[in-house]
Amino acid sequence: NAGVTQTPKFRVLKTGQSMTLLCAQDMNHEYMYWYRQDPGMGLRLIHYSVGEGTTAKGEVPDGYNVSRLKKQNFLLGLESAAPSQTSVYFCASSRRGEPPYEQYFGPGTRLTVT
Amino acid sequence: GIQVEQSPPDLILQEGANSTLRCNFSDSVNNLQWFHQNPWGQLINLFYIPSGTKQNGRLSATTVATERYSLLYISSSQTTDSGVYFCAVEGFAGANNLFFGTGTRLTVIP
Repeated sequence: NAGVTQTPKFRVLKTGQSMTLLCAQDMNHEYMYWYRQDPGMGLRLIHYSVGEGTTAKGEVPDGYNVSRLKKQNFLLGLESAAPSQTSVYFCASSRRGEPPYEQYFGPGTRLTVT
Repeated sequence: GIQVEQSPPDLILQEGANSTLRCNFSDSVNNLQWFHQNPWGQLINLFYIPSGTKQNGRLSATTVATERYSLLYISSSQTTDSGVYFCAVEGFAGANNLFFGTGTRLTVIP
């Protein structure tokens, strides 16, 4: 049982390049989330999904797109990377319905945009 | 969104000492979690505690939902407890998305 996994672990992009971050979970959770963490700060929600085929915007969605084609996977895309998107990206998942609504996090992806 | 304030921002302890970390939040919550972010950046779930008290080894947590605060207690601290401790909450509206505080950075010195 791997929990929540993320690929890649590290990436360096030049301004204007694109990339996709992959998140996978094996806990059969309905909800999945993408957060970013900037230095000295807590995590902020980018986008989330309440089920396969659905996505919604979070607190800081600009410059990102997401897709949830399969229940176990949640992809985060950067179409044209900017230095302001240098951050650590975390994926999380949680069950729905009855509590506990505990979120479980992946190990993170460190992205640098030069 | 819900405002989350954590205190103190930084804490330095001698190994073996006890500490209390506080989390205040601005609205009623459906979920409250405490995390430990270790020096490698990994977020480790400590407690899911929207109300009440829980204990896990040297760590315990109490949430008083009616007064909108939560406390994390660390007893007999060890160097491996070093890192950043985050409190995160979710309101009753929305899809379980968590609002994080800015964390308490704990350094335990031998």
